[in-house]
Amino acid sequence: QVQLQESGPGLVKPSETLSLTCTVSGGSISNYYWSWIRQPPGKGLEWLGYMSNSGSTNYNPSLKSRVTISGEASKKQFSLKVSSVTAADTAVYYCTRAITGLADAFDVWGQGTMVTVSS
Amino acid sequence: DIEMTQSPSSLSASVGDRVTITCRASQSISTYLHWYQQKPGKAPKLLIYSASSLQSGVPSRFSGSGSGTDFTLTISSLQPEDFATYHCQQGYSTKWTFGQGTKVEIK
Repeated sequence: QVQLQESGPGLVKPSETLSLTCTVSGGSISNYYWSWIRQPPGKGLEWLGYMSNSGSTNYNPSLKSRVTISGEASKKQFSLKVSSVTAADTAVYYCTRAITGLADAFDVWGQGTMVTVSS
Repeated sequence: DIEMTQSPSSLSASVGDRVTITCRASQSISTYLHWYQQKPGKAPKLLIYSASSLQSGVPSRFSGSGSGTDFTLTISSLQPEDFATYHCQQGYSTKWTFGQGTKVEIK
């Protein structure tokens, strides 16, 4: 049973860089799209981007210049960085897995981690 | 960007009711449409993928239909554990997008 666990600071100051890591346990990191999705309090879900097992990346154009997703396959981890954060980046951040065999649906999710942007 | 619009935004229903939620895409997405259930304080859970395929372990009272731009999620007989928010998501374009969510509340 694959499990995902997000980790990182829960509080980030405005203009700084938000950094989160997702650790994959119980399964392979190959042949999937490893994504980050966020949900501001009381609002809907927003896909931020993904990294494939080959290392290619794809980002949401609305945040593309501020988002970086990278990974270390040997550690079964992938990371998210969002630069120049503002209060609008306050959200629960989820790491997820999208699987081609399910038409790129997100079949496994981490529990989510709340990140607040505040001075 | 492909915009996903769900209706209604919220609904009240009773246990045993048949519930239908609609999701409309701003352009054709074939059947690259997925449905998720989210309970308060929890991560979303995949219910339906490719418009009508039931994810493993999901009760058969959940079903999905549609193709192109119009899709529906149906709960045939609402159970107490089904009160939650439901999200649709398109996987057609390279920028994956979600609907705004539909909250199903107890009447």
